[in-house]
Amino acid sequence: GAVVSQHPSRVICKSGTSVKIECRSLDFQATTMFWYRQFPKQSLMLMATSNEGSKATYEQGVEKDKFLINHASLTLSTLTVTSAHPEDSSFYICSARRTPNEKLFFGSGTQLSVL
Amino acid sequence: AQSVTQPDIHITVSEGASLELRCNYSYGATPYLFWYVQSPGQGLQLLLKYFSGDTLVQGIKGFEAEFKRSQSSFNLRKPSVHWSDAAEYFCAVGYNNAGNMLTFGGGTRLMVKP
Repeated sequence: GAVVSQHPSRVICKSGTSVKIECRSLDFQATTMFWYRQFPKQSLMLMATSNEGSKATYEQGVEKDKFLINHASLTLSTLTVTSAHPEDSSFYICSARRTPNEKLFFGSGTQLSVL
Repeated sequence: AQSVTQPDIHITVSEGASLELRCNYSYGATPYLFWYVQSPGQGLQLLLKYFSGDTLVQGIKGFEAEFKRSQSSFNLRKPSVHWSDAAEYFCAVGYNNAGNMLTFGGGTRLMVKP
């Protein structure tokens, strides 16, 4: 079955640094990828929808300059948390699908801890 | 390693009919189980979750799920489906009750016939 690889699974960084999270579709071309964030004891919240070759569509309240999303190829989308601060510490997860009518596959998530 | 299986990729039911979406999990310890729904173009919404206690869990939108340890299942049910329930449903298992480090099933797409 289709696999979405998310890397790294855990990252610890200092405040003020930037962190890049990768989401790869390993055996299919993903025209659409989604990025989610989860706060403790809450459900996943959609941050942005990324379509290959175009700018990401951010959900209301998500800072575009803070969370940079790039979907430069059909198999790779990246989320960069710029100038990370402790309040950015969270669980980030991506998902990908080939076409709107096909299954959605999830990455394994990234636990970001900002010191 | 934990895993989640949703055997049905697509399900079609008539409006007003009952619904059951299957979910089987594999996890070595006490599982924390979740059901999410994703509508077209929208993010995930938590329907319900099971941590402990009563094995029949009530959620939003009239959904419920039953944890059966002997069957390693956490099936989602609704007595009467509405057209607005058409969406994609995901079962997930987590390491802890915060819902972090989730492993998702492959999803079941529900279609509702008028």
